[in-house]
Amino acid sequence: AQTVTQSQPEMSVQEAETVTLSCTYDTSENNYYLFWYKQPPSRQMILVIRQEAYKQQNATENRFSVNFQKAAKSFSLKISDSQLGDTAMYFCAFMKHEANSKLTFGKGITLSVRP
Amino acid sequence: AAGVIQSPRHLIKEKRETATLKCYPIPRHDTVYWYQQGPGQDPQFLISFYEKMQSDKGSIPDRFSAQQFSDYHSELNMSSLELGDSALYFCASSYRQGASEQYFGPGTRLTVT
Repeated sequence: AQTVTQSQPEMSVQEAETVTLSCTYDTSENNYYLFWYKQPPSRQMILVIRQEAYKQQNATENRFSVNFQKAAKSFSLKISDSQLGDTAMYFCAFMKHEANSKLTFGKGITLSVRP
Repeated sequence: AAGVIQSPRHLIKEKRETATLKCYPIPRHDTVYWYQQGPGQDPQFLISFYEKMQSDKGSIPDRFSAQQFSDYHSELNMSSLELGDSALYFCASSYRQGASEQYFGPGTRLTVT
């Protein structure tokens, strides 16, 4: 079974600054996907970024980038130039590289962006 | 672009009643997943369907059942509701062939009183 751990329950960052959210996971799989999902107060689940385990290059989506360390089973999310709209709960999630595989989520971290 | 549709968006039921939640996946998506998110919790996988067949099963109570229909929409049926069933229920859909991303609907907020 896979486990995803987000040990920081809350973080706060000043607008326009950079923040890094941590995530570790445990799996015996060699090929898998990792995701960061954002859940704002509306409770909608929004995909922020995706990383394929077999790709060494870290994924980037505009102000969002990841630091994927496969050997250490670590998958952190860096948010640059933080904006007030980034205030949300962020979930790290794991999925096997199989058709129709389910998502396994971490407990989430509440990020607050201060004006 | 079309998104996943869930209905109803809000539902209030009493203990021991039944509830039916509906999910309409994105057009051409053939796989549907159901997740339950309790207050302050992470989403937990319940069950999934591919081409109308159950694909995987998670921590879904025996009081719950689900199915996927020929038009690929899915329904989650919940009976003998308990206070602990109060949660946000998400449906997500994906296209099996090579797709890794699951697209989430807005969720149905179920309150059991």
